[in-house]
Amino acid sequence: EVQLVESGGGLIQPGGSLRLSCAVSGLIVNRYYMAWVRQAPGKGLEWVSVIYAGGDAHYAQSVRGRFTISTDALKNTVNLQMDSLRAEDTAIYYCVRQSLDAICFDHWGQGTLVSVSS
Amino acid sequence: DIQLRQVPSTLSASLGDRVTITCRTSQSVPTWVAWYQQKPGKAPSLLIYKTSTLEGGVPSRFSGSGSDTYFTLTINGLQTDDLGTYYCQLCSGQSCSFGQGTKLEI
Repeated sequence: EVQLVESGGGLIQPGGSLRLSCAVSGLIVNRYYMAWVRQAPGKGLEWVSVIYAGGDAHYAQSVRGRFTISTDALKNTVNLQMDSLRAEDTAIYYCVRQSLDAICFDHWGQGTLVSVSS
Repeated sequence: DIQLRQVPSTLSASLGDRVTITCRTSQSVPTWVAWYQQKPGKAPSLLIYKTSTLEGGVPSRFSGSGSDTYFTLTINGLQTDDLGTYYCQLCSGQSCSFGQGTKLEI
């Protein structure tokens, strides 16, 4: 059974940094496309970033240059380093596995809340 | 990036109804659309992928169809458990997009 468990969320001031981690079981992260999707309070879903099995990473325009996605093969985790945080980054961040054909998200974590506020 | 627009934003229906949610894309897409259900306070879950294929364990009252720029999610025989918000989604190139969501009230 695939399980994704996020951690690292919390309250952070604008301009600050936060690192989210997603502990994965039931699959080897470096063999799949792994991504982050976020949801601002009361709003819809927004794709944030994806890392491919070969290590290539891509980002939504809204976070490009500020967020960095990575994987740790030893810990089997997916990480999201978030720098220069803004109020509009406040959201629940979900760790997700992209399907083998990369067209949808077939496994979701429970999410971790990031609040950016002074 | 391709934009997805869902109609309606809110849908009020009764038990047993047949309901349809539409998802229009800003350009013709050489790919498939997926649909998700999100219940209040929970993470989304995959309902349909490749436009019309049901994810394992999803009841057969759910169905999806469409092509080009027009896609639909239909629920035949609405049940209480279907309450929630529904999102369409696609990936094209190096990014993915979601519709703004349709809140289903029963």
